[in-house]
Amino acid sequence: LAKTTQPISMDSYEGQEVNITCSHNNIATNDYITWYQQFPSQGPRFIIQGYKTKVTNEVASLFIPADRKSSTLSLPRVSLSDTAVYYCLVGGYSGNTPLVFGKGTRLSVIA
Amino acid sequence: DADVTQTPRNRITKTGKRIMLECSQTKGHDRMYWYRQDPGLGLRLIYYSFDVKDINKGEISDGYSVSRQAQAKFSLSLESAIPNQTALYFCATSPAPYNEQFFGPGTRLTVL
Repeated sequence: LAKTTQPISMDSYEGQEVNITCSHNNIATNDYITWYQQFPSQGPRFIIQGYKTKVTNEVASLFIPADRKSSTLSLPRVSLSDTAVYYCLVGGYSGNTPLVFGKGTRLSVIA
Repeated sequence: DADVTQTPRNRITKTGKRIMLECSQTKGHDRMYWYRQDPGLGLRLIYYSFDVKDINKGEISDGYSVSRQAQAKFSLSLESAIPNQTALYFCATSPAPYNEQFFGPGTRLTVL
């Protein structure tokens, strides 16, 4: 499984765009990049998944450069309710090996 | 009703006791997982099961065992609980063959 590296913590003010970058230098050809969000005392929740270029949904955007060795989760105009831990996972979209959660990035949104 | 349920939600026990945490799902998923979470350490995989006849050890299986009683039920047991097993435990499911996981609400276990 590809190892991922992401910042331990980030702070942001309400209304700003937040970009969290994840490094995954040894990503394999058939690996997808998936991001989860976890609020305190709750289980993680799927946010977005992508393979290359850009993916956007109602919650976030995911930017993946051509070499796929990193990815950036973009949260537009964050609010206090976006305070959470964000996990970057890399692995097969389908396969027999579970994805591995690292320590994630703790995002604190300040009023 | 929640798709993935865990019982109990909170449990306090003593060192040496046998504890079982239960997970049930109504999503019809084949794959189920057990994780533990300690403060600042993210989630670590304990065991996973890709179908009723399949059980696999995860990153930190020592001191734990599991039983997949049916497609919908996956139980985690601590045969002899010790204080460093105090943690938040999550069950998750995913639909084969995909990896997107759906998590339960968690069980907070305290071993005194």
